[in-house]
Amino acid sequence: GAVVSQHPSWVICKSGTSVKIECRSLDFQATTMFWYRQFPKQSLMLMATSNEGSKATYEQGVEKDKFLINHASLTLSTLTVTSAHPEDSSFYICSARIAGDPSTDTQYFGPGTRLTVL
Amino acid sequence: AQSVTQPDIHITVSEGASLELRCNYSYGATPYLFWYVQSPGQGLQLLLKYFSGDTLVQGIKGFEAEFKRSQSSFNLRKPSVHWSDAAEYFCAVALNNNDMRFGAGTRLTVKP
Repeated sequence: GAVVSQHPSWVICKSGTSVKIECRSLDFQATTMFWYRQFPKQSLMLMATSNEGSKATYEQGVEKDKFLINHASLTLSTLTVTSAHPEDSSFYICSARIAGDPSTDTQYFGPGTRLTVL
Repeated sequence: AQSVTQPDIHITVSEGASLELRCNYSYGATPYLFWYVQSPGQGLQLLLKYFSGDTLVQGIKGFEAEFKRSQSSFNLRKPSVHWSDAAEYFCAVALNNNDMRFGAGTRLTVKP
């Protein structure tokens, strides 16, 4: 149980285009989803917290107009990288927390999406 | 400042040897503590977590971790390492499971 999927697993796009990444909780409902960014050989950096039906909360330094997050349902959150540039190339990982007691629930991570912007 | 530290960037052990990966945190209160493993190009898999109770936590794949409040540590251990354990290991902390912060990671290499 507690499987999180991401689509696509990898994407290559031209500079200036927009890319949408989907994060789905397959066998549970997730009231909260998280988006992380990971540069090569580095740790994960939290970008934003996404709550179903409300606006995402972005971490300091993350441009909300650049990284659009939509959490339209309890099983789906999307991250859209708008007008992507080479410096946006990275590994993007989402996680989802099972709805329920936040003191005991755990974040389950997706397999990640590798974005390369040419 | 709140932080989580993994002092060892890279560790090499022989297959069958014991393993200990270090993790220290600096928070005002005792946070929730996690260990994740990441294989190359993959997402993160939860090995174990500590919220409260018994300070020795058993996880998957034969891993365990011990929470030591006096040392602000949550070190990961395995008595006998297998070649398939080679991966990147991340310690993570969260105050309310809504704000998870990761350590820099420790890369484990297993020698045959």
